[in-house]
Amino acid sequence: QKEVEQNSGPLSVPEGAIASLNCTYSDRGSQSFFWYRQYSGKSPELIMSIYSNGDKEDGRFTAQLNKASQYVSLLIRDSQPSDSATYLCAVNRGSGGYQKVTFGIGTKLQVIP
Amino acid sequence: EAGVTQFPSHSVIEKGQTVTLRCDPISGHDNLYWYRRVMGKEIKFLLHFVKESKQDESGMPNNRFLAERTGGTYSTLKVQPAELEDSGVYFCASSQSGGKPQHFGDGTRLSIL
Repeated sequence: QKEVEQNSGPLSVPEGAIASLNCTYSDRGSQSFFWYRQYSGKSPELIMSIYSNGDKEDGRFTAQLNKASQYVSLLIRDSQPSDSATYLCAVNRGSGGYQKVTFGIGTKLQVIP
Repeated sequence: EAGVTQFPSHSVIEKGQTVTLRCDPISGHDNLYWYRRVMGKEIKFLLHFVKESKQDESGMPNNRFLAERTGGTYSTLKVQPAELEDSGVYFCASSQSGGKPQHFGDGTRLSIL
């Protein structure tokens, strides 16, 4: 079992729709969770971080965390073609301010105009 | 504020040669991380510096890899001698202390022929 599981996709959604990206993790002691967006040939760019159960909204992005189910998701509302990228789920298993981050393989999102 | 910068962006060398990758973190970031992504696989942790000290080098593949961060500023990752399986994209990331999210550079694409 991988430490962080993601469907590699591609996930195709029409422009204006909601894109739903999912991630599960195996270590129950994980403390913080991140979503990175990576365009081809570019660096992973942090778009959301979430630390407690529930929803966290930032603009068109909503991150959801359910620690009991070991599940993290990212919703992108009103998807735009510029959102087409690979979305990496990252889980921090460290503690005391020390990060030990494990990445999922990433889900490729394609937003169709 | 300048981001994380990595040099070179691409490197092509022959098996058995030596290559040194460099990372300049964001100014003031004590934490510096090295990661590697092999084609088709997840981004994998290599090691973590706190200032000039190695906090965790559990992800280093073998003793052909040597990382340094003299003075706690920039870091180098040397591969000597390079093998075919060392090909991939090497990412560097940095963060402030206190468990803050990591910021990534664009990576060095290393190809071993």
